[in-house]
Amino acid sequence: QKEVEQNSGPLSVPEGAIASLNCTYSDRGSQSFFWYRQYSGKSPELIMFIYSNGDKEDGRFTAQLNKASQYVSLLIRDSQPSDSATYLCAVTGSARQLTFGSGTQLTVLP
Amino acid sequence: DAGITQSPRHKVTETGTPVTLRCHQTENHRYMYWYRQDPGHGLRLIHYSYGVKDTDKGEVSDGYSVSRSKTEDFLLTLESATSSQTSVYFCAISGTSGSSYEQYFGPGTRLTVT
Repeated sequence: QKEVEQNSGPLSVPEGAIASLNCTYSDRGSQSFFWYRQYSGKSPELIMFIYSNGDKEDGRFTAQLNKASQYVSLLIRDSQPSDSATYLCAVTGSARQLTFGSGTQLTVLP
Repeated sequence: DAGITQSPRHKVTETGTPVTLRCHQTENHRYMYWYRQDPGHGLRLIHYSYGVKDTDKGEVSDGYSVSRSKTEDFLLTLESATSSQTSVYFCAISGTSGSSYEQYFGPGTRLTVT
């Protein structure tokens, strides 16, 4: 059974701070890693994906992958109240199927 | 906007009735997926399709069937709805180019089984 674990939170950070979201996965064969943002009552929105070890930056978002430790994280710099949402970590194996974590609820306080 | 629509967006039905949800895409994606999302369980894969008439089961397929007779449409059928199938159902698509694994989600269907 492939597992993806996330801290459920809630995680609260002040506006302008760095929010750090973490995810671990059990399947060493996992190849692709994704972060989705989901606002309440809306569908998941892809915000980052990473395939190789190291860091990948896109605007205020940085995804970090460490395959040896089976760990992927998402950093949000200069957090804004509009970043308040649930963040879902997802991992693929060899069959293009995504396994999702249960999500971390982030609140950015003005 | 990945060009995905789902219908209906909301539905209330009675236990024991059949229900069909539709996912429609406009961008010729090869892969299509059906998920359900429940509090405490996150998103779980029900069925997926890797081409016309090619489908396979996901993690929680019992009580569900799917069909894909055209590239653009992926149907999810609850053969005899039960209260445990009350959930939000999301369709997703993938495979726009090369080895792309990213999945993009539709707006969802909220289903209530009474």
